[in-house]
Amino acid sequence: DTAVSQTPKYLVTQMGNDKSIKCEQNLGHDTMYWYKQDSKKFLKIMFSYNNKELIINETVPNRFSPKSPDKAHLNLHINSLELGDSAVYFCASSPLGFYGYTFGSGTRLTVV
Amino acid sequence: SQQGEEDPQALSIQEGENATMNCSYKTSINNLQWYRQNSGRGLVHLILIRSNEREKHSGRLRVTLDTSKKSSSLLITASRAADTASYFCATADTGANSKLTFGKGITLSVRP
Repeated sequence: DTAVSQTPKYLVTQMGNDKSIKCEQNLGHDTMYWYKQDSKKFLKIMFSYNNKELIINETVPNRFSPKSPDKAHLNLHINSLELGDSAVYFCASSPLGFYGYTFGSGTRLTVV
Repeated sequence: SQQGEEDPQALSIQEGENATMNCSYKTSINNLQWYRQNSGRGLVHLILIRSNEREKHSGRLRVTLDTSKKSSSLLITASRAADTASYFCATADTGANSKLTFGKGITLSVRP
């Protein structure tokens, strides 16, 4: 019954590897987002998709590539992982327009 | 870039007391939202106040918005130990592809 679900919850990987995080929402929302939360809890938007179309891309290195196969799914693929990519990545969704977001429980990525 | 700035950064109170948290922002907004994040969890939407509203209530929560001062406050009345969490304000800009921009967060500790 989870509204926004992310997998995996934890991800530990070596520098240089490629990894993916998956997100699915069952709320029927039109818009989905990826946020990055650093060690100081600062949240920064990375991408936003509206009904499979990329609408926000915030100066994120092109090693990060989002993909939305349909409006219920938004995945994040990261190439050539770096130490600085270590963070918690949150997926979120919202209806179209100005509404609150529903967040997933996060994916804690640790690059060693 | 960061929009909301919460104040104080950390707050410790006794159970039963009221907790007041403030947020300031810099640009025009469509709405301002408050979120709660328990340790190791995702963010939970608490309340949304639109730019043409001045005050809103939800249970033990009271939010005010002063657009002339570009500031908002969140009041939690009769606090409980379970209110211990980080609280974030987030602003939605007025653009067509609006996104939420989060502040740094306030850590609230409620002592039993």
